[in-house]
Amino acid sequence: EDQVTQSPEALRLQEGESSSLNCSYTVSGLRGLFWYRQDPGKGPEFLFTLYSAGEEKEKERLKATLTKKESFLHITAPKPEDSATYLCAVRPAGGYQKVTFGTGTKLQVIP
Amino acid sequence: DAGVIQSPRHEVTEMGQEVTLRCKPISGHDYLFWYRQTMMRGLELLIYFNNNVPIDDSGMPEDRFSAKMPNASFSTLKIQPSEPRDSAVYFCASSNSGSSYEQYFGPGTRLTVT
Repeated sequence: EDQVTQSPEALRLQEGESSSLNCSYTVSGLRGLFWYRQDPGKGPEFLFTLYSAGEEKEKERLKATLTKKESFLHITAPKPEDSATYLCAVRPAGGYQKVTFGTGTKLQVIP
Repeated sequence: DAGVIQSPRHEVTEMGQEVTLRCKPISGHDYLFWYRQTMMRGLELLIYFNNNVPIDDSGMPEDRFSAKMPNASFSTLKIQPSEPRDSAVYFCASSNSGSSYEQYFGPGTRLTVT
């Protein structure tokens, strides 16, 4: 069974204090690892897709990286508007569209 | 292009009543997903469709839940009869098999069953 574990559950940062969120996964052949951002009262918003170990993607202050067992979402010099819950999801091999989500990391950036 | 549209945004009902949630996927997307999100269990996949055909409904909690997709632009999730433990936020998402498989989510329906 595919499993996704995210840590920490919650993270509180001062504005400008860089940090990383972790997503550990177990999947039968990875066909894609996804990062989403979810604001309170809204649906998850797609950020990145990573396909293979060593791959990196960047968007503004966010950079996602991937190894064979985990992914990191690095947040550089965060701002209060980066406060949200960040979700990780994996898609296994097999030609199916079904993905498994982690429970997320709730990030709070204090001004 | 408009994103995924869900209605209603909020639903409050009494135990035993029928509840119908509605979703309009992004035009051109051939996959549609229904999820349930709670604090305890996070985001759970209930069922997904490809070209209007149900592919995997193993996440549907029990026979009280049913989903249909009569055409490419409309889907419903029905709960009958509803129970307090069904209270959650229900999300619809869609994706395009011609892209990198990322899913685009609607704003959700917050369901409260009293």
